[in-house]
Amino acid sequence: SQQGEEDPQALSIQEGENATMNCSYKTSINNLQWYRQNSGRGLVHLILIRSNEREKHSGRLRVTLDTSKKSSSLLITASRAADTASYFCATDMFSGGYNKLIFGAGTRLAVHP
Amino acid sequence: DAEITQSPRHKITETGRQVTLACHQTWNHNNMFWYRQDLGHGLRLIHYSYGVHDTNKGEVSDGYSVSRSNTEDLPLTLESAASSQTSVYFCASSEQGANEKLFFGSGTQLSVL
Repeated sequence: SQQGEEDPQALSIQEGENATMNCSYKTSINNLQWYRQNSGRGLVHLILIRSNEREKHSGRLRVTLDTSKKSSSLLITASRAADTASYFCATDMFSGGYNKLIFGAGTRLAVHP
Repeated sequence: DAEITQSPRHKITETGRQVTLACHQTWNHNNMFWYRQDLGHGLRLIHYSYGVHDTNKGEVSDGYSVSRSNTEDLPLTLESAASSQTSVYFCASSEQGANEKLFFGSGTQLSVL
């Protein structure tokens, strides 16, 4: 079973609107990351937030983390057509003696001009 | 600039054939990973390596193998390709650890007919 799951699976908005994506996870974590994937490309790291942090910003991106609810959200403000992509959360999991990064199935964001 | 490259970008093969996907990174990262991406499953970890001559199985390692003879390369081999291995394969590397920021290649689209 997946450690992290994004919600919604798909989101369609107009340029200039804000986009919010959520991620829920099951076990305790050291950090949570968000990645972006354009169609046909590899994933690109956006933000890493550690378990002792509650909020982090990077440009138009804002990530929150609520460890009591085991959830995170990614907010993209003033969205642009170029933000159209899939967004994935990734959480770390310790099993089999090693730390691993486990990805959710992603949220597909479409931003319409 | 440092980068991570995968080859080939596209590969079509027949069931039962051995296939090797290449991954080369110039960051001098110790940690390297192979993921597969399938619709509805997100990215799933196949194998990973924390350094030369170190290899470990991920969650979907059956039918795959890796070897690490130097820091830069982690080739992924499908011993006897099966149709269930049709997928997009991503290689990634990290500097600080398996649960820290990952740098991804552009992926290899593999079709097993």
